[in-house]
Amino acid sequence: KAGVTQTPRYLIKTRGQQVTLSCSPISGHRSVSWYQQTPGQGLQFLFEYFSETQRNKGNFPGRFSGRQFSNSRSEMNVSTLELGDSALYLCASSSTLDGYTFGSGTRLTVV
Amino acid sequence: KNEVEQSPQNLTAQEGEFITINCSYSVGISALHWLQQHPGGGIVSLFMLSSGKKKHGRLIATINIQEKHSSLHITASHPRDSAVYICAVSLRRGGADGLTFGKGTHLIIQP
Repeated sequence: KAGVTQTPRYLIKTRGQQVTLSCSPISGHRSVSWYQQTPGQGLQFLFEYFSETQRNKGNFPGRFSGRQFSNSRSEMNVSTLELGDSALYLCASSSTLDGYTFGSGTRLTVV
Repeated sequence: KNEVEQSPQNLTAQEGEFITINCSYSVGISALHWLQQHPGGGIVSLFMLSSGKKKHGRLIATINIQEKHSSLHITASHPRDSAVYICAVSLRRGGADGLTFGKGTHLIIQP
């Protein structure tokens, strides 16, 4: 079956801009979670969606938001970008049976 | 103190050696995950454990729920095993909290 697809793979943005990242989960997986990975902080949980509802959010400012559509595809948005938002953003889809499957990530560089 | 602690942080070994990576956690969990990340960022889920032991090829993962400890073993290590190995936990059944990660173990297997 097809894996988790994240787009785009690479992105360069300027401080103050906003960005939207997309994640298409494995067919049948209703849970999508997002993570930020930086050299300094490692992998950190951003938020998790299940059936279009955000069930939990990590310790990130309100500039980070997301949503999930009825087909389980998810987007995350970062507004008013800061240099510190440069990171690899990973999404994962999961089920209690299959565990977690990660996408290849979007590498965001803020200049 | 991190909720998930891994050791060692870095490990260099010779091809063929038996490798052990340890993970301790301080909270109640519904499952523990071992992940592998190669340069470039992609994360592969190796194991999902809630009890006992699992084996896949040359990889073995064990968990002791009472001691809040898990180990990942690699038998007959090979240079292609070189990667970052990350221990992660699910705090709540169904994944609503996403994953909480250790800082990873950077493994290098020399030929």
